[in-house]
Amino acid sequence: GQNIDQPTEMTATEGAIVQINCTYQTSGFNGLFWYQQHAGEAPTFLSYNVLDGLEEKGRFSSFLSRSKGYSYLLLKELQMKDSASYLCAVLDSNYQLIWGAGTKLIIKP
Amino acid sequence: DVKVTQSSRYLVKRTGEKVFLECVQDMDHENMFWYRQDPGLGLRLIYFSYDVKMKEKGDIPEGYSVSREKKERFSLILESASTNQTSMYLCASSPGTSGTATLETQYFGPGTRLLVL
Repeated sequence: GQNIDQPTEMTATEGAIVQINCTYQTSGFNGLFWYQQHAGEAPTFLSYNVLDGLEEKGRFSSFLSRSKGYSYLLLKELQMKDSASYLCAVLDSNYQLIWGAGTKLIIKP
Repeated sequence: DVKVTQSSRYLVKRTGEKVFLECVQDMDHENMFWYRQDPGLGLRLIYFSYDVKMKEKGDIPEGYSVSREKKERFSLILESASTNQTSMYLCASSPGTSGTATLETQYFGPGTRLLVL
């Protein structure tokens, strides 16, 4: 079966760095997405990786290793507004998005 | 900016009622999706559509049907609502299909929180 694993919850301190991991086992791979979802709101697109390596976008970076079935989202200089759930999703061989359950990130002052 | 709108933010219905959830996107996207989101389970795909009048079952289509008569509008129908259909329903759209971020990125509506009593 297809499976996406990410931690259920993480806690970090304002101003610090946090890494949210995602491992996947899917039938084929056409890219990996990270979305951010604030409580009670819709998910919004953060990043897309299809090749191995690190993609940096401001305070957020996303890394992919296809051989290991692994990705992480790195958030730097954490702000209170970064408190949200972070969803990992993989585009499989049929171009269907397989979603992880999400990681709830709690930022403490 | 892509805009996806859903007909209601909150809805309360009784068991057995027929429920219509409507979704409209204004960016001429080819693909539209209906998900439900429950705590600890993540997003689960109910139905999707790659074209007008076309529909495909997702992972959990039982108890639901959909309609796409116009490109911009995708409706989710609960024929006879049950309490286990209490959930957050999210509609999304994406430009197309090709394995590129530009075409595959899904844009979500604000969601409809449905309570079935």
